[in-house]
Amino acid sequence: DTGVSQDPRHKITKRGQNVTFRCDPISEHNRLYWYRQTLGQGPEFLTYFQNEAQLEKSRLLSDRFSAERPKGSFSTLEIQRTEQGDSAMYLCASSSSGGRAGYGYTFGSGTRLTVV
Amino acid sequence: KNQVEQSPQSLIILEGKNCTLQCNYTVSPFSNLRWYKQDTGRGPVSLTIMTFSENTKSNGRYTATLDADTKQSSLHITASQLSDSASYICVVPDNTDKLIFGTGTRLQVFP
Repeated sequence: DTGVSQDPRHKITKRGQNVTFRCDPISEHNRLYWYRQTLGQGPEFLTYFQNEAQLEKSRLLSDRFSAERPKGSFSTLEIQRTEQGDSAMYLCASSSSGGRAGYGYTFGSGTRLTVV
Repeated sequence: KNQVEQSPQSLIILEGKNCTLQCNYTVSPFSNLRWYKQDTGRGPVSLTIMTFSENTKSNGRYTATLDADTKQSSLHITASQLSDSASYICVVPDNTDKLIFGTGTRLQVFP
C-alpha cells in the first residue's frame, strides 16, 4: 500500500449519464475526504468519512451527488444525471484521526471528469 | 470565515532564479499550515508542514516561513528548475481536519 489510489484517472461522459468514481485510501487511515477542483482553482471540500460514517457534506454536494464508504475502507462517489458544470478533477484524500490536524494527509492523483 | 489567500496568482521566472510565494490565512483555531505542489493533472503533494511554533522549515530548495502573529506564510524557491513549474497551494486545516485551500500560485519556469 503505497498511497491513495483513484480510479479511473480520466472519465468522459455524455451529459445526463451517471458516473461513479472509486477511491482506495491508505489502509491504516480511517478518514477519507472528497474534494473537487476546477481549472485554475484550489480544491473545494465535498464530503468526508470517518470509518464508514459520513460526517460532513458540503453545500456543493447537490442531490445528484452521493458518496459511500460501506466498510470503512474504499469509497465511491457517484454523480447522477451529469451536467457540464460537473466537469472537474475529483480528488480523494485520506488521513488518520487522533493525530494533529492535517498530518498524514495524503492525496490521490484524482479522477478528471469531462462532461460533453 | 476561514479563508486562505495567496499571491501572486501566477509567476514566470527564468531557470536558476529564486522566487517567493505568499500566503495569508484567517483560519482559527490554527494548528498547522502546509504547502503543496500540484503538477498539472495530478493530485497535490506535500512540500512542508509547519506548526505555530515553527518560523522556518526547509525541504531541499524549498524554504517555508510562518508568522503566526500576522497569519502569514511564504514559500521561497531557490535556484529554480524547469521541474518546479507547477501550482503551489497553501493549505490550513480547520478544527475538523478539513483542509482549507488557497487558490494557488501558478509558477512557470522557463529556460
